[in-house]
Amino acid sequence: EPEVTQTPSHQVTQMGQEVILRCVPISNHLYFYWYRQILGQKVEFLVSFYNNEISEKSEIFDDQFSVERPDGSNFTLKIRSTKLEDSAMYFCASSGGGSLNEQFFGPGTRLTVL
Amino acid sequence: KNEVEQSPQNLTAQEGEFITINCSYSVGISALHWLQQHPGGGIVSLFMLSSGKKKHGRLIATINIQEKHSSLHITASHPRDSAVYICAVRPFYAGGTSYGKLTFGQGTILTVHP
Repeated sequence: EPEVTQTPSHQVTQMGQEVILRCVPISNHLYFYWYRQILGQKVEFLVSFYNNEISEKSEIFDDQFSVERPDGSNFTLKIRSTKLEDSAMYFCASSGGGSLNEQFFGPGTRLTVL
Repeated sequence: KNEVEQSPQNLTAQEGEFITINCSYSVGISALHWLQQHPGGGIVSLFMLSSGKKKHGRLIATINIQEKHSSLHITASHPRDSAVYICAVRPFYAGGTSYGKLTFGQGTILTVHP
């Protein structure tokens, strides 16, 4: 069964460093999302991406964040200069056929900023 | 005020019991999702609903759009059902454009004892 994959599963970085989180969505999906979950808190929407551009973003998704689909398979989230408060689990999701379709989540990347 | 409220926050049950988790939301929606999150952190989609009722195995999800309320039921609960159950809604935008952003509840921690 097709699934969303994410790498790495755990990333440890120093404050101020750049990190790139990678996702491979399900191959025929067209809508892509990043969410994050700070430990002990609810999952929060970061950004949605369709037709090679950001379709919606939350107030969390400031200039330190960017997303890219560099080729036909990968979908990346870059954090330019990490802060302690960026420590969280980051989930990628994708849906196919239309934005109203079910979203499938990746296993997440746990980001720890020291 | 949270847009999505779940109750209870914590639920403990004995194996075999019938379980109900409730979700109330305050915004107009195009769909509601029930998700399961295991201790490792990964999120699995259980149901996506826009009306009525859906059943999958021992899981049943219902939604009442007029009352802005949904329930997730688990029949004959089992210790392997122990997880966090999350309700997430897809807000409906005026003009009908939605790129699929989900707004999440805080989750219900379910523990089923043998």
